[in-house]
Amino acid sequence: GDSVTQMEGPVTLSEEAFLTINCTYTATGYPSLFWYVQYPGEGLQLLLKATKADDKGSNKGFEATYRKETTSFHLEKGSVQVSDSAVYFCALSAGYSSASKIIFGSGTRLSIRP
Amino acid sequence: DTGVSQNPRHKITKRGQNVTFRCDPISEHNRLYWYRQTLGQGPEFLTYFQNEAQLEKSRLLSDRFSAERPKGSFSTLEIQRTEQGDSAMYLCASSLSTSGELFFGEGSRLTVL
Repeated sequence: GDSVTQMEGPVTLSEEAFLTINCTYTATGYPSLFWYVQYPGEGLQLLLKATKADDKGSNKGFEATYRKETTSFHLEKGSVQVSDSAVYFCALSAGYSSASKIIFGSGTRLSIRP
Repeated sequence: DTGVSQNPRHKITKRGQNVTFRCDPISEHNRLYWYRQTLGQGPEFLTYFQNEAQLEKSRLLSDRFSAERPKGSFSTLEIQRTEQGDSAMYLCASSLSTSGELFFGEGSRLTVL
């Protein structure tokens, strides 16, 4: 079945470091891909998305490119801030519709040191 | 709009009891999802609705779990004969069927003693 695998955490970086969180997926059909973020004490919220191959999603300085050939959707940010400390979840929409059920990875906890 | 609302926020119950959680989605959203999340894991899909129709239910979900969305607005998730393994955060999310973006509530935490 459809699934998402993301790098295990926790990931600890210093402020202004470069961030990559790896995500690969297995899917039938043509899934949309998402990154959701959960800040401490808050609910999950969408960070960015891409709906087709080669699309790049971006928000708040984060970017991810939908790579069909490598079935990947890695999250990157050039210079992280303390406020980026959170848990990041890669996700995909299963099935043949962009609005089918959403399947999540296990999450990667990111901590940024001042 | 106040977003997705879930009640109760925390429920403590004894093993064998029944519990019910309620979710009020964003009013114009026609899709509603239930997920379960345990510590250190991502949200695990349970079921979802489009309007009042239940479109899919996870094969991992036992018959003790049932969800309804009777008028296509709020939804309830009932767990019968709770077990300690049911202890988790139960998340509700809503969306428009034309969008993949889910809007999550803050969750209902279940503790089964």
